[in-house]
This record gives sequence, structure tokens and C-alpha cells, in this order.
Amino acid sequence: AQSVTQPDIHITVSEGASLELRCNYSYGATPYLFWYVQSPGQGLQLLLKYFSGDTLVQGIKGFEAKFKRSQSSFNLRKPSVHWSDAAEYFCAVGPMEYGNKLVFGAGTILRVKS
Amino acid sequence: DGGITQSPKYLFRKEGQNVTLSCEQNLNHDAMYWYRQDPGQGLRLIYYSQIVNDFQKGDIAEGYSVSREKKESFPLTVTSAQKNPTAFYLCASSIAGQTYEQYFGPGTRLTVT
Repeated sequence: AQSVTQPDIHITVSEGASLELRCNYSYGATPYLFWYVQSPGQGLQLLLKYFSGDTLVQGIKGFEAKFKRSQSSFNLRKPSVHWSDAAEYFCAVGPMEYGNKLVFGAGTILRVKS
Repeated sequence: DGGITQSPKYLFRKEGQNVTLSCEQNLNHDAMYWYRQDPGQGLRLIYYSQIVNDFQKGDIAEGYSVSREKKESFPLTVTSAQKNPTAFYLCASSIAGQTYEQYFGPGTRLTVT
């Protein structure tokens, strides 16, 4: 069965510092991978996705993610964090074949210090 | 603008009552989903539907029911059989078929006392 692990429940970074949120997945083949962001009491917004090709994908709001097949990881990065990035971030994995069901990680809450 | 609407934003019910959460989309998506979100547990899939008049149970379907009579609408009923219904409920939609990104509504927070 597919599973997604986000090892960090909370992360605190200073404004302007770099950010990396970890995501590890368990799946028998190369899956489709997603990162979503959620502000408190709101729905989820798609930041970026990986289907195939270049293993470094660019997303919205200055975020990028690196797919590493050998490590089964899809870590989210941002070079310089802004206070408005404080939110909860979810990694998700879905099958390449027909199915369209996503499995979500438990989320990482990002706090930004000024 | 295209998107997903969920209503109401906040819902309060007494224990033992059934309650229906609304989800409407104008994205012309065939697939729709209901998730439950609890703190520290991520999103758990309740039901999903790939096409009108068809739906499948997700990982935590017990105590919930759905219908899919129209492409645009996928209401979720939380029945009195759901032992712990207080949660944040999210509806999503996507293109059907191969895995595609899902688009989410703003959510409904249900409180049952």
C-alpha cells in the first residue's frame, strides 16, 4: 500500500532563511507526487506536482521540489521564506495508472519568525 | 471564476442527528472526493466518485453516505452512526482517469455536541 511520511510535525524558520520540508513515500513504482499548502481554516492549494521528466520542479510562490528516486523522497524547498509562508504543508502521492486516489502525509506546520 | 464551493463554512448539530454537507463545482470535472481532516492526521478519504451515479468507499466510509446525481454536485451526509463526527471536511474535484491534481473547496467545520 502507498504511504507518505512527513517526518517533521512542526518547523520554525526565520524570515529570509531557506526552507526544506521533507517527504518520503512508499510505493512500488514511480508515483505522481504533489505538494499542497493550507492556511488555517482553509482548503488546500496546489503548490507543485511531479509527473515525469526533470526531477527538479518549480511551483507557485517561489517553491520548488526535488524528486530523488533512490531515496523515495520529494522534498519541498524555498530559498528565502516570507512571513506569509506560515501555513501547513502536505505531501501527497498518487498512482500512475488509473485510479486518481491520492494518499496524503500528516502535514508539516511551518512557523516563520520575524 | 471556476471553483469548488462548500456550504456552510461552520455547522453545528446535536448528537444523533444526520447532517448533509454541500459540495458544488463548476470546473467540469468528472471526479469528486470527500476528505476528513483531523489535527495531526492529514487528510483521510471518505468517498469518491469518478462519474455521475457511481461512487466508491474510501478508507473511512463507515457512518457516511454520498450521492452523485449531477456532475456538479457531491453531497456528503454524516449519519448518527458516525461515532466521532466533529472534524473539518474537505471536498475536492479532478479530471477523471489517470491521476491528476485535485482542486479543493474551502471546507466545512462540523461540530457535533
